[in-house]
Amino acid sequence: DIQMTQSPSSVSASVGDRVTITCRASQGVSSWLAWYQQKPGKAPKLLIYAASSLQSGVPSRFSGSGSGTDFTLTISSLQPEDFATYYCQQANSFPYTFGQGTKLEIK
Amino acid sequence: EVQLVQSGAEVKKSGESLRISCKGSEYTFTSYWISWVRQVPGKGLEWMGRIDPSDSYTKYSPSFQGHVTISTDKSISTAYLQWSSLKASDTAMYYCTRGRSSGNYFGMDVWGQGTTVTVSS
Repeated sequence: DIQMTQSPSSVSASVGDRVTITCRASQGVSSWLAWYQQKPGKAPKLLIYAASSLQSGVPSRFSGSGSGTDFTLTISSLQPEDFATYYCQQANSFPYTFGQGTKLEIK
Repeated sequence: EVQLVQSGAEVKKSGESLRISCKGSEYTFTSYWISWVRQVPGKGLEWMGRIDPSDSYTKYSPSFQGHVTISTDKSISTAYLQWSSLKASDTAMYYCTRGRSSGNYFGMDVWGQGTTVTVSS
């Protein structure tokens, strides 16, 4: 199985801050990577697909980059509604796997 | 509006069987595969497996292979996740989600609301 490792596991930030979350794959996944946001009690929401493509309806302050084994999700200017848990997920090979999650908290 | 609507919460006992469902609407059901994702309370997301409704081709995570069965009835745009013998460790929230990959990965873009399964020993 491909292991996905996110860092940090949690981060505290303020409204307006720029935040970057990193996801590393244990082997190359090309661009077959997605990012999701999950708020408490809610289903996950797709933010980024194909490593860097913004899902329709997602604010442009979210962006993704990377290919192969190293990926990043960047939020350019945090808004109050962005405080949530974020997951990366690879679909290059079965079984699909998620990162352990990064909890973004208000400072 | 494109939706996946899941069946309601279940409370079961160890050893019992269970089938939960996920009904797609407002899109061509056979054009997207359906995955099931488990989330144990307070923990992360785990991909369980996926099925292609067009031909019922199914792939399971080794962590769940042999313990669950994923199926679909494309005539009613519904996917299922079933257990023949539940364990207390199956207590979790289960999400269905649709996705597609055609030369590229488009992510899992629509999610059901989740079905809570509680198994008592």
